[in-house]
Amino acid sequence: EPEVTQTPSHQVTQMGQEVILRCVPISNHLYFYWYRQILGQKVEFLVSFYNNEISEKSEIFDDQFSVERPDGSNFTLKIRSTKLEDSAMYFCASTSSGHSGANVLTFGAGSRLTVL
Amino acid sequence: GQSLEQPSEVTAVEGAIVQINCTYQTSGFYGLSWYQQHDGGAPTFLSYNGLDGLEETGRFSSFLSRSDSYGYLLLQELQMKDSASYFCAVRDPAGGFKTIFGAGTRLFVKA
Repeated sequence: EPEVTQTPSHQVTQMGQEVILRCVPISNHLYFYWYRQILGQKVEFLVSFYNNEISEKSEIFDDQFSVERPDGSNFTLKIRSTKLEDSAMYFCASTSSGHSGANVLTFGAGSRLTVL
Repeated sequence: GQSLEQPSEVTAVEGAIVQINCTYQTSGFYGLSWYQQHDGGAPTFLSYNGLDGLEETGRFSSFLSRSDSYGYLLLQELQMKDSASYFCAVRDPAGGFKTIFGAGTRLFVKA
């Protein structure tokens, strides 16, 4: 079964460092998303991406965050200067289309970011 | 604003039936979904209701009433492996069809 692949599974970084989280969405999917989940809390929307541009971003997704789709397969989330409160699990997700297919988010296994 | 309300925790015994309710208040609405998340895992899709009524998928059913902004997930013949968090989620058609999640209901299934 097709799956969303995320790397790394766990990253530990020092406050102020840049971090790049990588995702390979399902190949025929068109919409891509980043969500984050602080331990024990809800899944929070960060950003949606379609047709090589951001469709929508949340208030969490400030200037420290950026996303890219540098080639036909990878989808990356960059945090420029990490803060302690950025520690969370970051999930990449994708959906197959903007209509019925977008009812089903397929999530990757997540990248756990720990900022010290 | 956008909000989804669901109970924080539910406990039930193996073999029983449990219902997890969700009420929502969102700027746009394009359907109510349910996701399951085991500890340390990723959310996985369970069901979707775009129209009023009941959708059944094996032991799980989901219901939607758009006029009441209300839905529920019904889990029958509970098994220990059903112990997990369950999130209701609303798909918002405004800008990128983002999906907004509730805070989740932690289900404990006891023997």
